[in-house]
Amino acid sequence: DGGITQSPKYLFRKEGQNVTLSCEQNLNHDAMYWYRQDPGQGLRLIYYSQIVNDFQKGDIAEGYSVSREKKESFPLTVTSAQKNPTAFYLCASKGLALKGSYNEQFFGPGTRLTVL
Amino acid sequence: AQSVTQLDSHVSVSEGTPVLLRCNYSSSYSPSLFWYVQHPNKGLQLLLKYTSAATLVKGINGFEAEFKKSETSFHLTKPSAHMSDAAEYFCVVSDYNQGGKLIFGQGTELSVKP
Repeated sequence: DGGITQSPKYLFRKEGQNVTLSCEQNLNHDAMYWYRQDPGQGLRLIYYSQIVNDFQKGDIAEGYSVSREKKESFPLTVTSAQKNPTAFYLCASKGLALKGSYNEQFFGPGTRLTVL
Repeated sequence: AQSVTQLDSHVSVSEGTPVLLRCNYSSSYSPSLFWYVQHPNKGLQLLLKYTSAATLVKGINGFEAEFKKSETSFHLTKPSAHMSDAAEYFCVVSDYNQGGKLIFGQGTELSVKP
């Protein structure tokens, strides 16, 4: 089955620790995205990558880091610099669109991070 | 700048009655608009998308939305609600800058009463 997997589903972290969230896709998509969701709010973009070995900051990148060494993988590290990391984190991917069209983003099941 | 506003944070309907979830958008060019659904503690699933073809867009599970440029609206409707429709719904516009990032509305929680 093609899709996006995220692991772990639940993650607990002590203050001051870095943690890495996994995102893998087998859809052969070029672009990948990380979003953060807080209760009662829509999603906000953290980082995105349109090709391997390249990524850009989104709207709320402070305290986060990413890498894109392989097309199918886009891990997100939540560092100790992130002031309020408790949230639901969603990874998405999108294929290249034909001219004049737009491909939707496909989402993984999410990782819920709780800082203790 | 692109933005979307969902006019209701919570909508409650009875099973078998129509559903209307309202969304207004702001865009400096012809937008690509989406409705996504999220069930509790799950990822998002695409219901439907508008990308400048037909203004009435049909999606999955009996949902549809109509793009009205004069009203800058993209409301989501369904003729008859089912219990399984209870979820959070997001109206979304794409931004051609920033790698085609999605800009989300605040979400509308749909409750369906038996």
